[in-house]
Amino acid sequence: DAGVIQSPRHEVTEMGQEVTLRCKPISGHDYLFWYRQTMMRGLELLIYFNNNVPIDDSGMPEDRFSAKMPNASFSTLKIQPSEPRDSAVYFCASSFGDGNQPQHFGDGTRLSIL
Amino acid sequence: AQSVTQLGSHVSVSEGALVLLRCNYSSSVPPYLFWYVQYPNQGLQLLLKYTTGATLVKGINGFEAEFKKSETSFHLTKPSAHMSDAAEYFCAVYGGYNKLIFGAGTRLAVHP
Repeated sequence: DAGVIQSPRHEVTEMGQEVTLRCKPISGHDYLFWYRQTMMRGLELLIYFNNNVPIDDSGMPEDRFSAKMPNASFSTLKIQPSEPRDSAVYFCASSFGDGNQPQHFGDGTRLSIL
Repeated sequence: AQSVTQLGSHVSVSEGALVLLRCNYSSSVPPYLFWYVQYPNQGLQLLLKYTTGATLVKGINGFEAEFKKSETSFHLTKPSAHMSDAAEYFCAVYGGYNKLIFGAGTRLAVHP
């Protein structure tokens, strides 16, 4: 079975540009999570969805960040405008059932804002 | 509130030696605990999980972890390290509200 698929794997862009990260969760999973990983702050939960509905976005750092899940098989994380401090690896994860179930991670998008 | 502390940000062992990665947790409810591994340029992969029942949990790649309630610990072990075990390891506890709380990670180096 296919795992969580993220695209692009790498993104380099200049500050001020809009960045869109994409995620396809595992089929049948009803939870989707967006994380950010940096050396300084480790792994941070940004937002999660249940059945395509955003449940908790308290980890989204600023209004420049937004996330959507238009259907069960697709989600986006958008940064507009981007800043150099947004440089990080962004992971998408999905899980099935109760929130205490294991999360399955994609391979991440390495984002560099120049 | 739930929290996780991983003792030692870097651990180095010789190939064939015992691997011991330490994790202590804080939880106000019976915990659900996880260990994940992250290889370079990859996402996190589940090694093993503890929910209820047997306190010694076996995972993939020869790893196991023991839940010790009295010590609030969930240390990860492997009897004999392989070069391929070099990676970063994360302990996590279910924090309620569908969230996992991750530790800061321990980078394991394996040398010949």
